Amino acid sequence: ETGVTQTPRHLVMGMTNKKSLKCEQHLGHNAMYWYKQSAKKPLELMFVYNFKEQTENNSVPSRFSPECPNSSHLFLHLHTLQPEDSALYLCASSSSPGLATDTQYFGPGTRLTVL
Amino acid sequence: DAKTTQPTSMDCAEGRAANLPCNHSTISGNEYVYWYRQIHSQGPQYIIHGLKNNETNEMASLIITEDRKSSTLILPHATLRDTAVYYCIARGMDNYGQNFVFGPGTRLSVLP
Repeated sequence: ETGVTQTPRHLVMGMTNKKSLKCEQHLGHNAMYWYKQSAKKPLELMFVYNFKEQTENNSVPSRFSPECPNSSHLFLHLHTLQPEDSALYLCASSSSPGLATDTQYFGPGTRLTVL
Repeated sequence: DAKTTQPTSMDCAEGRAANLPCNHSTISGNEYVYWYRQIHSQGPQYIIHGLKNNETNEMASLIITEDRKSSTLILPHATLRDTAVYYCIARGMDNYGQNFVFGPGTRLSVLP
């Protein structure tokens, strides 16, 4: 238990559906992150939020829309996804982004399957 | 951030020490060495990090060579639950988290 929770843990959706992934951190951290891990590939950073402001968007397609209403909650809104978007989506949080000693703590992930 | 290279896979007998090497020959002076592990289909778990001194915590020890070009993560008494992919990351002072770059890691199999 890392103090970062994600719901749902598993999600199956069609290409025309709209769904949202939720992440919550109970660590009092200021920064939250979304990562994508496709099968047999390393983790890829998608978005970074620091104090609720988006500070990084790594060329992610607009069908992925993040939302950070406060420092404890992070959402990833999904619409018109493609089968290649099927992956493990991981949320992380940290206290001091930008410091070399900042440590990120990860949630358990949401396994997304797009049919 | 410095690129790291790790063996693709390793085996270790249960109860023995697991020594996982990492090369980071281009590491700069302000880059820390971090280790994470990922058990199948779970989120990565932080293990340990260090700059130039050896570090130890309840999970593992980190040995960094004097020239800082390589390091070794040591799990002193490996158990079956230590079977995972282990990631070595060299991370410097950069902006807002994009500098945790996960490579393919080392797949450690602890055998009974």
